Amino acid sequence: GENVEQHPSTLSVQEGDSAVIKCTYSDSASNYFPWYKQELGKRPQLIIDIRSNVGEKKDQRIAVTLNKTAKHFSLHITETQPEDSAVYFCAAIPDSNYQLIWGAGTKLIIKP
Amino acid sequence: SAVISQKPSRDICQRGTSLTIQCQVDSQVTMMFWYRQQPGQSLTLIATANQGSEATYESGFVIDKFPISRPNLTFSTLTVSNMSPEDSSIYLCSATVGTSMNTEAFFGQGTRLTVV
Repeated sequence: GENVEQHPSTLSVQEGDSAVIKCTYSDSASNYFPWYKQELGKRPQLIIDIRSNVGEKKDQRIAVTLNKTAKHFSLHITETQPEDSAVYFCAAIPDSNYQLIWGAGTKLIIKP
Repeated sequence: SAVISQKPSRDICQRGTSLTIQCQVDSQVTMMFWYRQQPGQSLTLIATANQGSEATYESGFVIDKFPISRPNLTFSTLTVSNMSPEDSSIYLCSATVGTSMNTEAFFGQGTRLTVV
């Protein structure tokens, strides 16, 4: 079955700098890759996603890139702000069902 | 989109007792799931709640300990049975909407369980 690995587990960056979180997946049939943000004490929420027919997608300060050949995708956050501090989860959906396979999460810390 | 109401939001329970967590979705969804999460840690899938049939459990989770019901498309319950302090965690209900090319997961607000 599908397996998603996420790195790093913790990322600390200076406010204003960029942050990059990387995920790899194992099932080449997976075709949809969302990213979720979970703030402390709150539920995870979708922030951006990418489909297998697209290489990159941007939404203001966040972007996601996908390399299907290498089976990895990344979340990029530019000009980081204190409100970006959270745990970020990547996920993949195998073509055979609608179940999300989750990465282990990255705790992003923005230092003032 | 979907809005999920989960209750209770927190509880403190005595060991050996059971707690039932309820999850209500405001619209029809594709799938419903139950997760366990330590604060700030990864999402651990307990089981997929199947409508009208037995849930599908992940490795390490069994029906006797975590019985799940899903009588219709929008409602599910998870019971944590014969609790021990090791069951202290946050339990999250989740539902997905969409297709394999565009599936969004929505979450309940979580149930913070403390077993004493």
